[in-house]
Amino acid sequence: TAGITQAPTSQILAAGRSMTLRCTQDMRHNAMYWYRQDLGLGLRLIHYSNTAGTTGKGEVPDGYSVSRANTDDFPLTLASAVPSQTSVYFCASSDQSSYNEQFFGPGTRLTVL
Amino acid sequence: EDQVTQSPEALRLQEGESSSLNCSYTVSGLRGLFWYRQDPGKGPEFLFTLYSAGEEKEKERLKATLTKKESFLHITAPKPEDSATYLCAVQGWSGNQFYFGTGTSLTVIP
Repeated sequence: TAGITQAPTSQILAAGRSMTLRCTQDMRHNAMYWYRQDLGLGLRLIHYSNTAGTTGKGEVPDGYSVSRANTDDFPLTLASAVPSQTSVYFCASSDQSSYNEQFFGPGTRLTVL
Repeated sequence: EDQVTQSPEALRLQEGESSSLNCSYTVSGLRGLFWYRQDPGKGPEFLFTLYSAGEEKEKERLKATLTKKESFLHITAPKPEDSATYLCAVQGWSGNQFYFGTGTSLTVIP
């Protein structure tokens, strides 16, 4: 079972450019999440989705947007990247009927220059 | 505001030397407290969920406990393969957000 896949694995992006980070899960989980992980700050929630068609803002949503057209996919878009968005991005999913433990993808390392 | 503090930031143990990691939290109604293991360059891997004070969970050399203000991850007779960063997270009943601590980096020396 693949679980959660993320693409790309890593990316170098020029400031001002846009980019979409992809996340796909095959566990049929209803909830999905995007986090960024920065040294000394831990994992911080960017956006989440409780079910297909709905999204919500997390702790650090500015500069990011998400969509949830179906159960499996939850892309994260940076419309105009800035250097402070350099980070490692993790996608996660959970089945809210199963005690909410989250399963994480392998991450995308993004560098904005 | 919901908050999680983990200590120590880093811990070095000799193989077989037992110890505990601490996770202190403040949350407006605890829905769940979660422990994860993260290896370098990888995503966090789920270990345990605890729901109420007094609850304990065990898995191999790891045992997680919970009180109303903190959780401990006890590591008994650790092995080098237990070296990783251990993350704690809480979720309150008030929303969908999970709040993570910054983790404890554990190194077990052979």
